[in-house]
Amino acid sequence: EVQLVQSGAEVKKPGESLKISCKGSGYSFTSFWIGWVRQMPGKGLEWMGIINPGDSDTRYSPSFQGQVTISADKSISTAFLQWSSLKASDTAMYYCALSGTYSAYWGQGTLVTVSS
Amino acid sequence: DIQMTQSPSSLSASVGDRVTITCRASQSISSYLNWYQQKPGKAPKLLIYAASSLQSGVPSRFSGSGSGTEFTLTISSLQPEDFANYYCQQTYRTPWTFGQGTKVEIE
Repeated sequence: EVQLVQSGAEVKKPGESLKISCKGSGYSFTSFWIGWVRQMPGKGLEWMGIINPGDSDTRYSPSFQGQVTISADKSISTAFLQWSSLKASDTAMYYCALSGTYSAYWGQGTLVTVSS
Repeated sequence: DIQMTQSPSSLSASVGDRVTITCRASQSISSYLNWYQQKPGKAPKLLIYAASSLQSGVPSRFSGSGSGTEFTLTISSLQPEDFANYYCQQTYRTPWTFGQGTKVEIE
């Protein structure tokens, strides 16, 4: 069974760093791109970027380029989304998803709250 | 970026109604168009991929059509479990953008 399991909810202060994770199982981890999607409270879905875990080729949305870093460690079948300096506006639910030309498998989401 | 515009932003309908949601792309995206359903507190669920292909396990009352710049999602007979938010997404070119969403509410 294909599964994407994300790390738990985080509460951080502005300026802090954070790395959240998405562990894949039940499929060949290096065979499919993994993407990240942001959903701010009460708002719609925003595509952030994707990574090919096989060769770490990464594509970012211009809206998120330079704001976050997407990475993957194929040895542990895990993709990551990280921030070096969080802002209050980063408060959102973040989803990972297997990303071919469509996303049939999604993680359960990681809620990130940034508040002083 | 390719802009995706959904209409309407929200609609009220009754159980049994036929519902149609439209998604327009700012440029041609061939058939690289997917539809997702999202319920509160849950991850999105794939309904339709490649504009008109029904994802395995999705009820046949859901259908998709279109190509180029104009696409539709149709629910032939709305069921209580269909009240949710619906999003289109283009995967023709990165960044893979979503529409702003359509909220389907009970009338």
